[in-house]
Amino acid sequence: KAGVTQTPRYLIKTRGQQVTLSCSPISGHRSVSWYQQTPGQGLQFLFEYFSETQRNKGNFPGRFSGRQFSNSRSEMNVSTLELGDSALYLCASSPDSGLYGYTFGSGTRLTVV
Amino acid sequence: AQSVTQPDIHITVSEGASLELRCNYSYGATPYLFWYVQSPGQGLQLLLKYFSGDTLVQGIKGFEAEFKRSQSSFNLRKPSVHWSDAAEYFCAVGSSGTYKYIFGTGTRLKVLA
Repeated sequence: KAGVTQTPRYLIKTRGQQVTLSCSPISGHRSVSWYQQTPGQGLQFLFEYFSETQRNKGNFPGRFSGRQFSNSRSEMNVSTLELGDSALYLCASSPDSGLYGYTFGSGTRLTVV
Repeated sequence: AQSVTQPDIHITVSEGASLELRCNYSYGATPYLFWYVQSPGQGLQLLLKYFSGDTLVQGIKGFEAEFKRSQSSFNLRKPSVHWSDAAEYFCAVGSSGTYKYIFGTGTRLKVLA
C-alpha cells in the first residue's frame, strides 16, 4: 500500500512569498499531522487534523496554517516567508489519534532565500 | 509539561558491537513512547512503540526497548549493529487527547566498519 506522499520534495522561495505544501496520507488514515524539522529546534509539532477538523496546534505564528480535505489530504500554508522558515516539513498520518504510531512522509525541504 | 531527553548527541560504535541509546521522558501519566529512525534526507520510520503491557518491546530491524517507569526511561538497544544502522534516532512521547508527539533532540549513530 502506498505510503504518505508529500509534494513537492524541494522548494526554494524568496522572503515575503507564500508557499503551500501538500500531503496525501495512507489510504484509510484520517489523522494527519505536520512537523517542522530544523537543526536548531529539532522536530516541532505544527498541527493535527482529523476529519477536516484541527484538533491541536503547536506554538507557531499565525503565518502557518493548514487544512484537511474530505479525502483526508492535507495542505499547509506559510505566508510572508522568513529566512527562519527554511526547514524540512514532515507530514505524518495515522488511522485515528496517532497514539499507536504515525507513518511519516519523506518531507518537503523548503529553502527561503 | 511533557519533555523528552536524549543525552547523547552522537554515538559511534563498531559494526557487530552492541548498542544502547538513552531516552528519558517527563510525563505525569503513563506515556505512549516511540522510537523513530531517520536516514539522511528521509522521513521518520517507526522502529517500535510502547503504551502498556510488557515493558520490553520488540521492534523492526532487530531493535528492542525497555520501559522503566521508576527511571522514566525508554532506552533502545540492539545486540549487534550493522553498518546500515547508521542514521539519526529519535525518541518521542505522546499522550491521549493531545494528538501530538514531543520529540527528543535525536542521537546520531555512526557505525565503524
